[in-house]
Amino acid sequence: KQEVTQIPAALSVPEGENLVLNCSFTDSAIYNLQWFRQDPGKGLTSLLLIQSSQREQTSGRLNASLDKSSGRSTLYIAASQPGDSATYLCAAEGRAAGNKLTFGGGTRVLVKP
Amino acid sequence: ETGVTQSPTHLIKTRGQQVTLRCSSQSGHNTVSWYQQALGQGPQFIFQYYREEENGRGNFPPRFSGLQFPNYSSELNVNALELDDSALYLCASSSGLMTTEAFFGQGTRLTVV
Repeated sequence: KQEVTQIPAALSVPEGENLVLNCSFTDSAIYNLQWFRQDPGKGLTSLLLIQSSQREQTSGRLNASLDKSSGRSTLYIAASQPGDSATYLCAAEGRAAGNKLTFGGGTRVLVKP
Repeated sequence: ETGVTQSPTHLIKTRGQQVTLRCSSQSGHNTVSWYQQALGQGPQFIFQYYREEENGRGNFPPRFSGLQFPNYSSELNVNALELDDSALYLCASSSGLMTTEAFFGQGTRLTVV
């Protein structure tokens, strides 16, 4: 059974600092790993999708890496802004999950002006 | 704008009642998945529909049921509501079953009193 963990559960940084968000998963037989952003009470916004054959994906200030052998993915957000304050969730899709996404509990980020 | 729309956005039901939630998938997507997100937790997979057939189910009782229509929109039905069913219900659509990006709607906030 796939288990996904995100540590820490909450993070507070001053504006301008780089953010590093961690995601670990127990079953390396994944099809892909996806990062999402969630604002309070809202749905999920897809940020980046990394296929199992890829090592990283980049979009603007966001960069996500994937290391299947160690069961880890990291989301980097460069030069954080107050508008980056949200909860960030990672989700793994894999054979063990039966074609569903298995989510971590999320990291709640606060970027202070 | 992801193109995935859910209705209603909020509703309040009494314990024991039945509820139907609706989801319109993004244009061109034939797969719809439903997730339940309790406050402060990551989403949990309920079930998935692919081309009108159920394709995988999470650890939810039979009183959670679903349907997908020929236009690939979907419904989630919950019978005999319990207080613990209070949550944000999220619908995600994707093209195909695996290795494709999932796009989420804004969710339906269900409160059971």
